[in-house]
Amino acid sequence: LAKTTQPISMDSYEGQEVNITCSHNNIATNDYITWYQQFPSQGPRFIIQGYKTKVTNEVASLFIPADRKSSTLSLPRVSLSDTAVYYCLVGEGRRGSGNTGKLIFGQGTTLQVKP
Amino acid sequence: GAVVSQHPSRVICKSGTSVKIECRSLDFQATTMFWYRQFPKKSLMLMATSNEGSKATYEQGVEKDKFLINHASLTLSTLTVTSAHPEDSSFYICSARTGTRGTYEQYFGPGTRLTVT
Repeated sequence: LAKTTQPISMDSYEGQEVNITCSHNNIATNDYITWYQQFPSQGPRFIIQGYKTKVTNEVASLFIPADRKSSTLSLPRVSLSDTAVYYCLVGEGRRGSGNTGKLIFGQGTTLQVKP
Repeated sequence: GAVVSQHPSRVICKSGTSVKIECRSLDFQATTMFWYRQFPKKSLMLMATSNEGSKATYEQGVEKDKFLINHASLTLSTLTVTSAHPEDSSFYICSARTGTRGTYEQYFGPGTRLTVT
């Protein structure tokens, strides 16, 4: 499974756009890129998934360059409730499960949104 | 989206006792479920993969005799922490997977907070 590297933490203010970049230099051809959000004492929640170029849903956008060695999660106009840990995962399948079906979490990025 | 539940949401037990945590897929069948543990301010660590009707596959370093996993049906997997000790106190999260290779969908439960006194 491709290893991912993300910033450990980020700070932002309400109303700002937040971009979290994830590096995955050894991503495989069949790998998808998936982002999860986790609040304290809760299970991870699926945010978005993509393979290449740009994906957008009601919550976020995901930008993936042509070489796919990195990806950027973009959260528009964050609010205090977006304070959470964000995980980037890569693997085969629509939800990044990989050949073994496992989801291996990296360290994640702790986003702190301030008023 | 699909819903995965866990019971109990939190449990306190005395050292030396065993505690069982249930993971249920409420509106879909899950041939595979996964168990994670998470320590404070740390990432999720995969403990084991649970396949319906067969023995669980444990990750390296996870004691299979201490963390008993049973996946008796397509909607239920249980994790039993045997002879619990304070160092077993953690947040245990399950996930349930549906679909086939290339089209997997995996959903997480809300977690169970275990405190061993």
